[in-house]
Amino acid sequence: GAGVSQSPSNKVTEKGKDVELRCDPISGHTALYWYRQSLGQGLEFLIYFQGNSAPDKSGLPSDRFSAERTGGSVSTLTIQRTQQEDSAVYLCASSFSSGGESEQYFGPGTRLTVT
Amino acid sequence: DAKTTQPTSMDCAEGRAANLPCNHSTISGNEYVYWYRQIHSQGPQYIIHGLKNNETNEMASLIITEDRKSSTLILPHATLRDTAVYYCIVRRLGGGGKLQFGAGTQVVVTP
Repeated sequence: GAGVSQSPSNKVTEKGKDVELRCDPISGHTALYWYRQSLGQGLEFLIYFQGNSAPDKSGLPSDRFSAERTGGSVSTLTIQRTQQEDSAVYLCASSFSSGGESEQYFGPGTRLTVT
Repeated sequence: DAKTTQPTSMDCAEGRAANLPCNHSTISGNEYVYWYRQIHSQGPQYIIHGLKNNETNEMASLIITEDRKSSTLILPHATLRDTAVYYCIVRRLGGGGKLQFGAGTQVVVTP
């Protein structure tokens, strides 16, 4: 079946502009996660959704970052007034549930470059 | 969640078994050991997980010591496509499921 998809695959934006990154999880997966991976850095957790609710937003680096999920499916990560330090690969993952032992399936990521 | 310690890198010859160690000496009773890998320019891929018993699937085997303070991921017959960064992650049940990635082990499989 179809895996997790993300769009766009690449995004170049100017400093100060807003960007939206989209994630389409695997059908039927109730949990959705956002991570980012900066050049030379490890993967860091940003936020996760169970259904349309976000019980844990602890990884969002600043209030310029926000995310929403609608219909228990698609999620959008929005970065306002982008800064150069926002340049990274943004990865989305989904799992059958957020509890239990469900493994996470990752998308290919969106590479964001802020110039 | 408990932290993990892995070697920075290791090489493995194609066709041989690759044994990847992970130390998680502060693991709690309700924490699982998960392994993921990330091939260059791709998203991470789930490999295997376990609580205290050894586990095996089509990709790998996971050996967890009796005291649960360490584990070994075994790739039985490494191929060039197994070249990747391998992450050992300890994850608490009911903790929302977020994964906390460390630096992982860069595994290079050579012909």
